[in-house]
Amino acid sequence: GQQLNQSPQSMFIQEGEDVSMNCTSSSIFNTWLWYKQDPGEGPVLLIALYKAGELTSNGRLTAQFGITRKDSFLNISASIPSDVGIYFCAGDKGTSYGKLTFGQGTILTVHP
Amino acid sequence: EAGVAQSPRYKIIEKRQSVAFWCNPISGHATLYWYQQILGQGPKLLIQFQNNGVVDDSQLPKDRFSAERLKGVDSTLKIQPAKLEDSAVYLCASSLGVSGGNTIYFGEGSWLTVV
Repeated sequence: GQQLNQSPQSMFIQEGEDVSMNCTSSSIFNTWLWYKQDPGEGPVLLIALYKAGELTSNGRLTAQFGITRKDSFLNISASIPSDVGIYFCAGDKGTSYGKLTFGQGTILTVHP
Repeated sequence: EAGVAQSPRYKIIEKRQSVAFWCNPISGHATLYWYQQILGQGPKLLIQFQNNGVVDDSQLPKDRFSAERLKGVDSTLKIQPAKLEDSAVYLCASSLGVSGGNTIYFGEGSWLTVV
């Protein structure tokens, strides 16, 4: 099945640094979502984007829906240790009540 | 509000044995999903229900996997017989079922190890 291309695969940063990750696809999505997954838990929705060009913030997180509808990025500002986890992008083509296609994930490690 | 409940959390079985996972979605959510997440990968949709009907099962290995949602609430995912490559986390998720702008909530997952 189709997967989204997410990069980078992993990041090791110092506390306080900003983080940026992105997701690209060869096909168009109508909705882009960003999830975080902690060890032993299911993914938790961070930000949902519904319109091309949309820029949305949730606290220290900012995400954008690419103009072409084939990409999205997530920024985390002033990282803290609890930001550690795996971040997934997901796209929804809007044709089947929320069928999501996920990226491979970005593993974020934050050193205090 | 209670989240998506799944059980068991962990299961270890031998290959060729069978296993069943149970999911109780968030109350009032019409759409229920089963995702398979292999270590190091993103979740992959196995099957999607809208109430008690199947919307999408195109990626479900039907020779060994089956799922049902008989009364449109709880759901069971079964694997019989299990193979080594079935080792994964099986995530159940639910949503209200409104097309477009629909938030999907995930359970904690059922971790399967096939030895």
